[in-house]
Amino acid sequence: ELKVEQNPLFLSMQEGKNYTIYCNYSTTSDRLYWYRQDPGKSLESLFVLLSNGAVKQEGRLMASLDTKARLSTLHITAAVHDLSATYFCAVDMGNTPLVFGKGTRLSVIA
Amino acid sequence: KAGVTQTPRYLIKTRGQQVTLSCSPISGHRSVSWYQQTPGQGLQFLFEYFSETQRNKGNFPGRFSGRQFSNSRSEMNVSTLELGDSALYLCASSLFGQETQYFGPGTRLLVL
Repeated sequence: ELKVEQNPLFLSMQEGKNYTIYCNYSTTSDRLYWYRQDPGKSLESLFVLLSNGAVKQEGRLMASLDTKARLSTLHITAAVHDLSATYFCAVDMGNTPLVFGKGTRLSVIA
Repeated sequence: KAGVTQTPRYLIKTRGQQVTLSCSPISGHRSVSWYQQTPGQGLQFLFEYFSETQRNKGNFPGRFSGRQFSNSRSEMNVSTLELGDSALYLCASSLFGQETQYFGPGTRLLVL
C-alpha cells in the first residue's frame, strides 16, 4: 500500500525567509503532484514531476523529485504572505488513484 | 475553458437521509474522480469514473456510490447519512485519468 508522508505538517515562517517542505512516499511512483489549497477553497495544481531529477519552478516555489530516494521537495524562497496556504503532495502509481499526503499548513508572518 | 463545477456548494442534512452531489468536468475530460476531505483523515479517494465505468474505488462503505453519464458528468450518492459523513466532497477531472487532475470548488456537506 502506497503511503505518502509530508513534513512538517505545520510551518510558520517569517516573510523573506526560505524553507523546504518534504514529501516522502513508500513505493515506486509514475509521477508526483503538488497542489495548493487556500482556506475554504479547492485544490489548485502547482506542479507535476514526471522523472528522476525533475525540477519545476514557478515564482517563489520550486519543486524537485528524487525517485531513488522517493522524495520530493517544495522549496519556498523569500516567503511572502500570499503564499500562506496548505500544500499537498500527491503520488500516482499509474492506473491507481492519487494518494495524498496530509498537507503542510504554511503561515507566512510579517 | 470553464473549470470543474460542482453543485450544490453547501448542503445540510440529518442523519439517515440520503444526498446526491453533482460534478461537471472540464469540457473534453473523460475521467472524473471523487474525494472526501476531512480535518482528521485528510483527502481520501472515493471513486473514479471513466467513460461511464467505475475504474477505481476507495475504501468506503457501500453507502457511497456514484455514476457517470455519457456527457462525462458525474454524480455521487450517499445513503443513510452518518455524522461522520460531514466533509468537503471534491470532484476532479482529467483527460484520461493519468494526468493532472483539476479540482472543482467542492460541496460542503454537514450532517446533523
